[in-house]
Amino acid sequence: AQSVTQPDIHITVSEGASLELRCNYSYGATPYLFWYVQSPGQGLQLLLKYFSGDTLVQGIKGFEAEFKRSQSSFNLRKPSVHWSDAAEYFCAVGDGGSQGNLIFGKGTKLSVKP
Amino acid sequence: GAGVSQSPSNKVTEKGKDVELRCDPISGHTALYWYRQSLGQGLEFLIYFQGNSAPDKSGLPSDRFSAERTGGSVSTLTIQRTQQEDSAVYLCASSFQSGLYQETQYFGPGTRLLVL
Repeated sequence: AQSVTQPDIHITVSEGASLELRCNYSYGATPYLFWYVQSPGQGLQLLLKYFSGDTLVQGIKGFEAEFKRSQSSFNLRKPSVHWSDAAEYFCAVGDGGSQGNLIFGKGTKLSVKP
Repeated sequence: GAGVSQSPSNKVTEKGKDVELRCDPISGHTALYWYRQSLGQGLEFLIYFQGNSAPDKSGLPSDRFSAERTGGSVSTLTIQRTQQEDSAVYLCASSFQSGLYQETQYFGPGTRLLVL
């Protein structure tokens, strides 16, 4: 069965520092991969997604992610974090079925120090 | 335009009572999804609608959970005889078409359910 692991429950970075959030997936075929962000009191917002092609995907708000098949990873990166990036980040994989269901990781909470 | 809306935003109920949670998807979106977000558990898929039909109900955690969708639009998730373990945030998402991961799922703000 497909699964997603986000090893870091909580990460704190200083404003202006670089960020990398880890995501590992388990999936037999070429996965559909997503990163969502959930700000306090807000719904999930799609940051970026990967289906095929270029393994480096650009998203909104200056985020990018790199698909590495050999490592079964899809890590999210940002070169310089802003205080407004403090939120919870979820990695997800399409479950491979015909319905478009997503399987989510348990999330990584990002705190930003001034 | 308007996004996915959910009501109520918060619901506190007593164990054993029934609750109804409502989702209004984005107009024109044919696919609708319900997820549950429990503390420490991440997001768990519950059920999916294509139009008014739900081809797969296997994600519902028990027979106390049911959902319907009418007119290809509004959906209601009903939990009967609520239990404390039902306490969670219930999220609804919609997408223009179903079964296509290329279609972005747009999420509502969720309903936070607390069962006392």
